[in-house]
Amino acid sequence: AQKITQTQPGMFVQEKEAVTLDCTYDTSDPSYGLFWYKQPSSGEMIFLIYQGSYDQQNATEGRYSLNFQKARKSANLVISASQLGDSAMYFCAMRGTNTGNQFYFGTGTSLTVIP
Amino acid sequence: ETGVTQTPRHLVMGMTNKKSLKCEQHLGHNAMYWYKQSAKKPLELMFVYNFKEQTENNSVPSRFSPECPNSSHLFLHLHTLQPEDSALYLCASSQVTDRDEQYFGPGTRLTVT
Repeated sequence: AQKITQTQPGMFVQEKEAVTLDCTYDTSDPSYGLFWYKQPSSGEMIFLIYQGSYDQQNATEGRYSLNFQKARKSANLVISASQLGDSAMYFCAMRGTNTGNQFYFGTGTSLTVIP
Repeated sequence: ETGVTQTPRHLVMGMTNKKSLKCEQHLGHNAMYWYKQSAKKPLELMFVYNFKEQTENNSVPSRFSPECPNSSHLFLHLHTLQPEDSALYLCASSQVTDRDEQYFGPGTRLTVT
């Protein structure tokens, strides 16, 4: 079975500070991809960053980086230098080679950036 | 127009009405998805289409009827809905590989009265 767990329903961070959003996963697929999405209050889901299970390096995209620890089955999102516009819901998702086109999403973490 | 578009953006309908949600993607993707997002609940996958063929139906009630006439268009036909069906309905598309992310539309916020 595939499962994504996000244990932080809400997080607060001071503007310009870094914040880590936790994500753990469970899968039996030998190969899989991990994704992070941002959902502002407008509702649209915005793709942020991708990590492949066989990628040697942790993924980075601008201020976003993914702390991938395969043995621990965790894929935490790190946002550096937080901005007020980072306030949103953040979802971790997974897609496996044996699960066809299915994406599995976590319950999300609500991030609030404090000025 | 680029990306994934959805119409209408907002819809209010009575329980006896029939309406349809439309999704269109201009990304050349071959998989399309419908998700339901209710307040304080995880994203729920409803349907998956791969090359116009339905590959997933996550026990969705028959009052929701999907249609995928081609790889670029996806519809969700609604009839005799219940108030608990009020939610944000998100459409997404992707390529059929495990490395490709989904691109989401802006969603249709549905209210059933």
